[in-house]
Amino acid sequence: DGGITQSPKYLFRKEGQNVTLSCEQNLNHDAMYWYRQDPGQGLRLIYYSQIVNDFQKGDIAEGYSVSREKKESFPLTVTSAQKNPTAFYLCATSLSDTLHTQYFGPGTRLTVL
Amino acid sequence: DQQVKQNSPSLSVQEGRISILNCDYTNSMFDYFLWYKKYPAEGPTFLISISSIKDKNEDGRFTVFLNKSAKHLSLHIVPSQPGDSAVYFCAASGAGTASKLTFGTGTRLQVML
Repeated sequence: DGGITQSPKYLFRKEGQNVTLSCEQNLNHDAMYWYRQDPGQGLRLIYYSQIVNDFQKGDIAEGYSVSREKKESFPLTVTSAQKNPTAFYLCATSLSDTLHTQYFGPGTRLTVL
Repeated sequence: DQQVKQNSPSLSVQEGRISILNCDYTNSMFDYFLWYKKYPAEGPTFLISISSIKDKNEDGRFTVFLNKSAKHLSLHIVPSQPGDSAVYFCAASGAGTASKLTFGTGTRLQVML
């Protein structure tokens, strides 16, 4: 069953704790992306990776970190430096960075208490 | 600076009628446009896209029109069905932005019985 997996669906953390959101894909796509969505807003790009062992900051990278050690995996760490971490986080993939259609995972709702 | 704008936050349409969702953009470097459909607490689903070399693209009940001179695109859904009720996002990418997508804030479509 091919696709993009994000787990867990809902995640709760205490303020001041780092938390890592997982994103796995078996589509053999080269590029992967992390977005966050807040109520009434569009999706905003946090980080993206066009190839293994390489990634670039998006529009709102402050307080976040990523790694891309494997093609299939692109975990996102929300650090304690992120001032408003409560949001809906979406992972996406595309076949390559020259093909712009991105496909999204089901998302993780992070709530920081 | 909102480069992709969806000025109508919501739209209500009767079942069987046409739904028209609009999107405006300001960046003349955008050359590829996409529409996504999103249900609450789920990831966006890709619907249809259009390249700037075209002015129309159809896929079943969905048609996207692009007016480059006006920097405007629209999504037509005919006939509208209750299952079309969702939030619709337009997105754009272009030369110099690699694979980055810029999203609008979304339009909530409600198709009434």
